[in-house]
Amino acid sequence: ENVLTQSPGTLSLSPGERATLSCRASQSVSSSYLAWYQQKPGQAPRLLIYGASSRATGIPDRFSGSGSGTDFTLTISRLEPEDFAVYSCQQYGSSPLTFGGGTKVEIK
Amino acid sequence: QVQLVQSGAEVKKPGASVKVSCKASGYTFNSYTIHWVRQAPGQRLEWMGWIDAGNGNTKYSQRFQGRVTVTRDTSASTAYMELSSLRSEDTALYYCARDWYYGDSLFQYWGQGTLVTVSS
Repeated sequence: ENVLTQSPGTLSLSPGERATLSCRASQSVSSSYLAWYQQKPGQAPRLLIYGASSRATGIPDRFSGSGSGTDFTLTISRLEPEDFAVYSCQQYGSSPLTFGGGTKVEIK
Repeated sequence: QVQLVQSGAEVKKPGASVKVSCKASGYTFNSYTIHWVRQAPGQRLEWMGWIDAGNGNTKYSQRFQGRVTVTRDTSASTAYMELSSLRSEDTALYYCARDWYYGDSLFQYWGQGTLVTVSS
């Protein structure tokens, strides 16, 4: 299976700062079938990015994704208070579908 | 609007089975796939399997093969996930999720989650 490793585990930043999150796959993700989700405590995940770089419906443009092959990045250009959460990547190019272990973005 | 409403929390003993339901509304049930994803405390999200609500075809993660069964009742617009031979490591929040477009395996819509606790 394609194992996804996210780094860092925790990112401590202040509102207004830029966040850069990494997701590395153990095998190349076919057709850049890589998605990012945001999850807040007590809530289900929310789809942010699909196809490595396309924003899902209603997602603000401060969220952007990039990458291909085995290395992917989620960037939040300027953190808003509501952006402090856990972010997980998911590959959907091969079975089994797999998720990364998550990066927690916390308020510094 | 699309809604997935799951059944309530369950407490089971080791070795037992649990069946979780996921009632869909706001869209044509038969036209999409329902996935099951779980999250154990402090762990990553883990995909378990899916069912094509139209034709009933299923696919499971090898990790759960033989223990998980996903079914659906089209007349009730409801999908079910049954997990057998429960062990303590199966204690988790179980989610159903619908793909965004048929077959894309992108989880745009989620249920609220069902907590399953396995304890003697």
